[in-house]
Amino acid sequence: QSALTQPASVSGSPGQSITISCTGTSNDVGTYRYVSWYQQHPGKAPKLIIFDVRNRPSGISNRFSGSKSGNTASLTISGVQAEDEADYYCSSYVSSTVYVFGSGTKVTVL
Amino acid sequence: EVQLVQSGVEVKKPGESLRISCKGSGYTFTNYWIGWVRQMPGKGLEWMGIIWLHDSNTKYNPSFQGQVIISADKSITTAYLEWYSLKSSDTAIYYCASTEDGNFYWDFWGQGTLVTVSS
Repeated sequence: QSALTQPASVSGSPGQSITISCTGTSNDVGTYRYVSWYQQHPGKAPKLIIFDVRNRPSGISNRFSGSKSGNTASLTISGVQAEDEADYYCSSYVSSTVYVFGSGTKVTVL
Repeated sequence: EVQLVQSGVEVKKPGESLRISCKGSGYTFTNYWIGWVRQMPGKGLEWMGIIWLHDSNTKYNPSFQGQVIISADKSITTAYLEWYSLKSSDTAIYYCASTEDGNFYWDFWGQGTLVTVSS
């Protein structure tokens, strides 16, 4: 099971919207609605920010939103802020290997 | 509040064995799965495997099958990740994470355990 494909880096100025894609296959993202997104700041543990494609856990800013079309899921950060600068990983349930992460995207706020 | 507390930094030599731990509190342990995630230096996250604390049902990512052993002791609400013979390529930070049975996302994470394997 290969990692899901994410862009290595995405950048944006404060206040802009940015979108991170997460491309899998019909064995994972395309079949299951169990896509989640995690934010990881340097030296910290990952933090859940989106689950089941588009749902936000309690306490997560509504600037974060998720969607899915076919084999590709997306995370959008609306009005990006300096504190959003971090690495972002998608993850999908896969029945064979149970779960798979994306390759990770570094978000830079210009 | 759910908390996962992992054991501390480890420095080992190639060929040595190691077991690291992840202790859960603040929830009904046996209703949850614990997952283990590897992050090699400067690299991304990788799922290693998961264990259901109710009956220790374990599922491994094929890449890690036979390389590590995942286990749990529900009497002390602790999950483990174990190696019998470490390699330098096992140098990484290892995270545990939890999810309630029936969910497919990982909402609570341990602080991570740094394992360094060097001669």
